[in-house]
Amino acid sequence: EVQLVESGGGLVQPGGSLRLSCAASGFAFNNYDMHWVRQPAGKGLEWISTIDSAADTYYADSVKGRFSVSGEDAKNSLNLQMNSLRAGDTGIYYCARGSNLNDGFDIWGQGTMVTVSP
Amino acid sequence: NFMLTQPHSVSESAGKTVTIYCTRDSGNIASDYVQWYQHRPGSSPMNVIYEDNQRPSGVPARFSGSIDSSSNSASLSISGLKTEDEADYYCQSFDSSTHSWVFGGGTKVTVL
Repeated sequence: EVQLVESGGGLVQPGGSLRLSCAASGFAFNNYDMHWVRQPAGKGLEWISTIDSAADTYYADSVKGRFSVSGEDAKNSLNLQMNSLRAGDTGIYYCARGSNLNDGFDIWGQGTMVTVSP
Repeated sequence: NFMLTQPHSVSESAGKTVTIYCTRDSGNIASDYVQWYQHRPGSSPMNVIYEDNQRPSGVPARFSGSIDSSSNSASLSISGLKTEDEADYYCQSFDSSTHSWVFGGGTKVTVL
């Protein structure tokens, strides 16, 4: 079964760091673009980061310089290292697989909650 | 850069048809494919339309998508509304100029 499972969310103080992971099963993640999309509390979906099949990385302006995405081929997983966290980073973080047919997202994980609060 | 604008909410009676519009503020709506996602509370988003008007396997034919270059918008229509269709719906496209993925603000669909 094709599946994505996120982990690593939790409560962190402003200025702190957190590392999210996304375990892929049923497919080789490095054959696809893999994305992180978040939903801030009370708001809509926001794309934040991508690592493509060539291992090139892309970031939304809101997280550029603070977040870093990487892949672990041996674990068939990707990570999102989040530094200098702010209250505005609070929300649900989803890992999503990019479609090989278009620039959409065809598989989503269940999400992991990140709360940035004193 | 471009933005995708959606109405905050729409409501319609069960069995009727509802249409959600997604307007692109700059650039041609037809220049990059539009996808639509259904997001129910407590669940993960699910793709219901890709490439403007294509339905993924398993998505009912009640869901349909289109684009209109004259209004520079995409639309998602849901016919024969059911209570299970209550959700937030997001349009999404790709900005090739900035290599970024753009979501609309989302539309909450309420079935009366």
